[in-house]
Amino acid sequence: DAGVTQSPTHLIKTRGQQVTLRCSPKSGHDTVSWYQQALGQGPQFIFQYYEEEERQRGNFPDRFSGHQFPNYSSELNVNALLLGDSALYLCASGKWRETSQPQHFGDGTRLSIL
Amino acid sequence: GEDVEQSLFLSVREGDSSVINCTYTDSSSTYLYWYKQEPGAGLQLLTYIFSNMDMKQDQRLTVLLNKKDKHLSLRIADTQTGDSAIYFCAESILINSGTYKYIFGTGTRLKVLA
Repeated sequence: DAGVTQSPTHLIKTRGQQVTLRCSPKSGHDTVSWYQQALGQGPQFIFQYYEEEERQRGNFPDRFSGHQFPNYSSELNVNALLLGDSALYLCASGKWRETSQPQHFGDGTRLSIL
Repeated sequence: GEDVEQSLFLSVREGDSSVINCTYTDSSSTYLYWYKQEPGAGLQLLTYIFSNMDMKQDQRLTVLLNKKDKHLSLRIADTQTGDSAIYFCAESILINSGTYKYIFGTGTRLKVLA
């Protein structure tokens, strides 16, 4: 049973470019959340998707957008990249209404902006 | 408000017990979690506790929760060099009545001396 998988594992971009990160949730899960972990910080909630809709959003600008597909996988898109977007991006999956179970995290995509 | 605080560093000798502390502010937390992160890696769930429990023990790990003071601690018995890592405390906040987001602390770097 595969857990949460993220791709790519590492990515290097330059300022102003756009990037797309991908996440496949654990089998049986239908919600996907994205987190940004800057160096030396704890993860920060970006947004969450369920039924292909953004359900909740953290304090991130509109440059950060996402999508969820019918197979529950998700993408995180970041436009007009800034140096400060360099971070580890983590995806977490869970099951709607099963709040007693912890979400499962992927190993993350490390994004470096030059 | 949503805020989770942890001390930044802890150093212990191999074989001693480690105690990592965390305080949180949101009284609506349903679960509280401890995650471990090794260099360059994602988040590994260590243990979690329901907010109406006081204590949970899992092998070398003991979690204590003081809900009145909003204080959570993680005790690692017989600390080993392999326990050296960053430990994150996180609280879950219910959103949309169906799922939740995590609020993470800034992490405590545990260094185990041989």
